[in-house]
Amino acid sequence: DTAVSQTPKYLVTQMGNDKSIKCEQNLGHDTMYWYKQDSKKFLKIMFSYNNKELIINETVPNRFSPKSPDKAHLNLHINSLELGDSAVYFCASSQGATGSNQPQHFGDGTRLSIL
Amino acid sequence: GENVEQHPSTLSVQEGDSAVIKCTYSDSASNYFPWYKQELGKRPQLIIDIRSNVGEKKDQRIAVTLNKTAKHFSLHITETQPEDSAVYFCAALGRASKIIFGSGTRLSIRP
Repeated sequence: DTAVSQTPKYLVTQMGNDKSIKCEQNLGHDTMYWYKQDSKKFLKIMFSYNNKELIINETVPNRFSPKSPDKAHLNLHINSLELGDSAVYFCASSQGATGSNQPQHFGDGTRLSIL
Repeated sequence: GENVEQHPSTLSVQEGDSAVIKCTYSDSASNYFPWYKQELGKRPQLIIDIRSNVGEKKDQRIAVTLNKTAKHFSLHITETQPEDSAVYFCAALGRASKIIFGSGTRLSIRP
């Protein structure tokens, strides 16, 4: 059973479209994250949620809107997609509150390609 | 802001030799330092971590050392094997409660 699962695995779409990525974790963790990994492999945090509450909101365009219906789910909606949004988006989760020194468990990633 | 620098960006070693990857961090309040391995097309996976109350930790062929005074930490892989080939990321947990990742090291093991 996959601990952190993301869908879809691949997403190819046109510039200007709106798309969503879903993430679910079955580890019972309290905190979930979204990361963006660009073509140079830099991993940068975008958001973190602790028990449905937004904790970290990095300098991310407001076209990106996370939603956490419960602590096991953190979805990412992106409006008006741009070429620069092409990247691999990773969801992750960890035990305890954001900032606790616990390892993060990553999903398999969603490769987003903007045409 | 917080920063984590990682060197080298690429590293090629002969199978059986050791590999060392070094990182420095800027936030003196950082207290947790995980290392992740990412194989091609896969997700980052934790391989070892160290907390600020210890200076060294070892798990079979992998060890991590931490020097809080100098604000640097290193990953050591001994007796390297082909399956060690991957991108390795160091990270540090800073006062803003977020994990800052290094830029990654692409490790290649030559047969």
